[in-house]
Amino acid sequence: DVKVTQSSRYLVKRTGEKVFLECVQDMDHENMFWYRQDPGLGLRLIYFSYDVKMKEKGDIPEGYSVSREKKERFSLILESASTNQTSMYLCASLEGWGTDTQYFGPGTRLTVL
Amino acid sequence: DAKTTQPTSMDCAEGRAANLPCNHSTISGNEYVYWYRQIHSQGPQYIIHGLKNNETNEMASLIITEDRKSSTLILPHATLRDTAVYYCIVRGNQAGTALIFGKGTTLSVSS
Repeated sequence: DVKVTQSSRYLVKRTGEKVFLECVQDMDHENMFWYRQDPGLGLRLIYFSYDVKMKEKGDIPEGYSVSREKKERFSLILESASTNQTSMYLCASLEGWGTDTQYFGPGTRLTVL
Repeated sequence: DAKTTQPTSMDCAEGRAANLPCNHSTISGNEYVYWYRQIHSQGPQYIIHGLKNNETNEMASLIITEDRKSSTLILPHATLRDTAVYYCIVRGNQAGTALIFGKGTTLSVSS
């Protein structure tokens, strides 16, 4: 089975801190995604990557950046965390752009104080 | 914006079939219908997908109308562990078309 892991289940940071959220997948998938999930708003795409060192903006990239130095790892970076970035962050991977399914990690619940 | 419309919530008795509807009247010819679910405090989980034919797997069945403007996910014998938010998503197969999740249907299965 595909496994997508995220570095932390729960994280508490202070306003202005730099925050790294790590995601690792073990199935050699080319495509990886970062979403955030908020009550009443559903899942929203932040960034995705279709290859090492490649990245594309999703629907809400402002305030975030990403890094994909290795195929299995996709990092989400909050350069200066703000309280409105308190959310559940979900990472996903996808083998190909055909009808393949996305596999999600367990999520990181980030609280910014 | 999500291209699908789903009821906000549904209830189902344990052991009965749960039929979750989804409207996708603007679906285009190359777009697939996907169903995911999210159990509380977990990441979304793939259930099933289809293009125009009905599909069945070990988890569920997917019935797509002939005009493809709506579909129904069927859980044949719902259990308490099927309580979750169910998302119906349409997506093409071109590169760069990520999944767009709407608000889904909260299914509550009770004994």
